[in-house]
Amino acid sequence: GAVVSQHPSRVICKSGTSVKIECRSLDFQATTMFWYRQFPKQSLMLMATSNEGSKATYEQGVEKDKFLINHASLTLSTLTVTSAHPEDSSFYICSASPSGVGSDTQYFGPGTRLTVL
Amino acid sequence: DAKTTQPPSMDCAEGRAANLPCNHSTISGNEYVYWYRQIHSQGPQYIIHGLKNNETNEMASLIITEDRKSSTLILPHATLRDTAVYYCIVRVPPGQKVTFGIGTKLQVIP
Repeated sequence: GAVVSQHPSRVICKSGTSVKIECRSLDFQATTMFWYRQFPKQSLMLMATSNEGSKATYEQGVEKDKFLINHASLTLSTLTVTSAHPEDSSFYICSASPSGVGSDTQYFGPGTRLTVL
Repeated sequence: DAKTTQPPSMDCAEGRAANLPCNHSTISGNEYVYWYRQIHSQGPQYIIHGLKNNETNEMASLIITEDRKSSTLILPHATLRDTAVYYCIVRVPPGQKVTFGIGTKLQVIP
């Protein structure tokens, strides 16, 4: 199946700093990518939909100025957590589906564990 | 997307078949049933999907009732590595977001 990678897999940062997470589709192009976060013992919560060449669409309650999303190419989307605070510590996961394929199976990245001290 | 209902947890003996049910009584005619699983501290893994007909692949089988109001994911010979949270999702492709419920936590017991 299609492969989605994320980098870094784990990051620890100080409160107030910004952290960038990359999501790449390795063997397919993706017009749309999705960003989720998952707190311990909870399910995945969709944060935003990343559209190549246009602005991201954010879910209700997600601050677009805090979670900056850039989808500059058909294989790369980035999520930047700006001025991170301890409550932003979470497991961030992206997903993508091959463009132009009828069944539209979503493939997920391995996740990025963010810890804000 | 239609809502789904799954039991919060299940146990299965290693080597036996694991049958994970999902109720999606409000499913629409053009909505697919997808199954994913998430092993601890990893991203979700696609398992299988279907519309009307039963489906089988190298990982599992998907049985969808004739009225499409429920389905069952079957892992024919469960191993310890199949211990994970299994999510049943109903959605309309293409390009639509995936909304996760709480899923079923499957524990495979030696």
